[in-house]
Amino acid sequence: DADVTQTPRNRITKTGKRIMLECSQTKGHDRMYWYRQDPGLGLRLIYYSFDVKDINKGEISDGYSVSRQAQAKFSLSLESAIPNQTALYFCATSDRQGLDGYTFGSGTRLTVV
Amino acid sequence: SQQGEEDPQALSIQEGENATMNCSYKTSINNLQWYRQNSGRGLVHLILIRSNEREKHSGRLRVTLDTSKKSSSLLITASRAADTASYFCATDPSGGYNKLIFGAGTRLAVHP
Repeated sequence: DADVTQTPRNRITKTGKRIMLECSQTKGHDRMYWYRQDPGLGLRLIYYSFDVKDINKGEISDGYSVSRQAQAKFSLSLESAIPNQTALYFCATSDRQGLDGYTFGSGTRLTVV
Repeated sequence: SQQGEEDPQALSIQEGENATMNCSYKTSINNLQWYRQNSGRGLVHLILIRSNEREKHSGRLRVTLDTSKKSSSLLITASRAADTASYFCATDPSGGYNKLIFGAGTRLAVHP
């Protein structure tokens, strides 16, 4: 199994629908992150969590919410999807020091029509 | 807001040649990291250089960091077709608690 698993891998949804993207990890890391990637813009931070009780907004949190159900699970929800949320979404983890870098999942390609 | 900006945006070379990618950033940092992404897949961590280091090597990779110029470079020596990917720099800003800020990346194509 992959260290960081994201589901689903691909999803097409309609405008206005609620959708949840899930992430689970076997690294034992405390810190988990959600990023979105748009062509030409790199990765932008949506939300991050330093432990189960510590959840923080990132650069572009509007329209998104998260839940840290356990140390190993961090889900991202789009409450009412809109077309400009079409993007590639990545979950990542790191230990507290962060000196081994982030471990990324394979991503979820989300299309909102 | 993007902290790192990579240059060039795209690079095309032949196998065996060296590839150099540059990254500039805006604020003071704890460390700078380089990642590779193969065609829309997850990013893979390559190397981390701390703010008090000037150069670091890992296999065919050499990273330099100039904090006075707020810039870094990634050199891949003796490139292979398998090195074809996008490369991203990411900065851990001072006081940022390891919330990495990524640049837009450099697309590297290595031709056999």
